[in-house]
Order: sequence, then structure tokens, then C-alpha cells
Amino acid sequence: DIQMTQSPSFVSASVGDRVTITCRASQGVDSWLAWYQQKPGKAPNLLIYVASSLQSGVPSRFSGSGSGTDFTLTISSLQPEDSATYYCQQAKSFPLTFGGGTKVVIK
Amino acid sequence: QVHLVESGGGVVQPGRSLRISCAASGSGFTFSYYGMHWVRQAPGKGLEWVAVMSDDGSNEYYADSVKGRFTISRDNSKNTVYLQMNSLRVEDTAVYYCAKDVNSGSPPSWFYSWGQGTLVTVSS
Repeated sequence: DIQMTQSPSFVSASVGDRVTITCRASQGVDSWLAWYQQKPGKAPNLLIYVASSLQSGVPSRFSGSGSGTDFTLTISSLQPEDSATYYCQQAKSFPLTFGGGTKVVIK
Repeated sequence: QVHLVESGGGVVQPGRSLRISCAASGSGFTFSYYGMHWVRQAPGKGLEWVAVMSDDGSNEYYADSVKGRFTISRDNSKNTVYLQMNSLRVEDTAVYYCAKDVNSGSPPSWFYSWGQGTLVTVSS
């Protein structure tokens, strides 16, 4: 199975800050990686797929990059509504696996 | 726009069985074109993929943690996917989400739409 490791597990940042979240795969997944945002009590929401493609309707301040084993989700200018937990997910092979999550809070 | 509604969750004793369902609807949405997944989230924990069934029901895959105990199925005439959960354990306690695949469900992909989830609690 492919293990996904996210860091950091917690981020506290101010409105307008640039936030970067890292996801590392235990083996190469090419660009078969997605990012999700989950707010408390809600289902996750797809943000990014194929490592860097922005899902329709997602604000352009979100971006993804990387390939192989190392990936990054960047929020270019943090907004209050971005307070949430973010997960990466590999889609290279079954079983599908998620990272442990990164909780982003606003200072 | 796809609308997914899970049902059937509740409290069940360890070792017992439960079947949960997910009904799909939406204008312009053809259920039989897409793979359907179950993903779960234990209280206060992260996301764990559980199972997928391909669009035509010909392929299914499971997480190791549920293999041999859980069975995914679908009825394309009813736009519904099911998860039969047998030999339930305390550690199966979670919110269970159904999620629509971007494509047919095999090869692997990501989750395009999610339901609101149904809580399954395994407790004596």
C-alpha cells in the first residue's frame, strides 16, 4: 500500500499569509494526487486533482504542484473561510489512501 | 449537479451486521456511468477509503481493514449503492460517506462529489 504523509499537521496563520502544506508518498504516484478541504461537520470538497488542476469553482488562491513522491498545496493569501482541514489522496493504485490531514486555523 | 444521500446508519452491537445505502440524483447525471465509493471517518480522525464498485459492477476493491467483512454493491436501476457490513467491530465506528468517482471507478481516481454521511456506531 502507498502511505501518504502530510506536514505539518497543524498551521496557525494570519489572514493574507501564504500557507504551504506538503504531502509525501511512500512510492511514486506520478501526478495521481488530489487535495480536499473539509470543514467541521461537513463532507470533504475536492480542490485539486492531477496534482495541479484546479477544480471548477475553487478560488484561484489555491494551487497544487509536484509529481512523483513530493507534492505541495499552497494557499497564496489565506482567507477566513479557508479555516479547515486539508487532505491529500493518491489515486495511483488501490487501496486509495489519504494523508493524515493538516488543520489550518486563522490567528 | 449530483446529490448523494446516505441512509441506514445507527447503533449496532459488535459482531452484528448493518447495511447502509446511498441514493444518487441530479439533472443530467447518469448513475451507471460512474464508479461509486465508500469513505469513512472515525470521530475526530482522518479519512479512510473503504471500497469502490465500478460503473457496471464488474470491479470492486476494498481496504484491507474491511476485506472479507464488508461488501459493496449497486443497483443502477435505482441509482443506489450499498455497503453491507458484517462482523462489525468497535473500530468500525465512523461517519460513512458515499462519493462519486470522476470516472468509471477503475482505474483509481478521486472523489468528485460526496454525500453528507451516515453515522455508524458499533457498541455494546
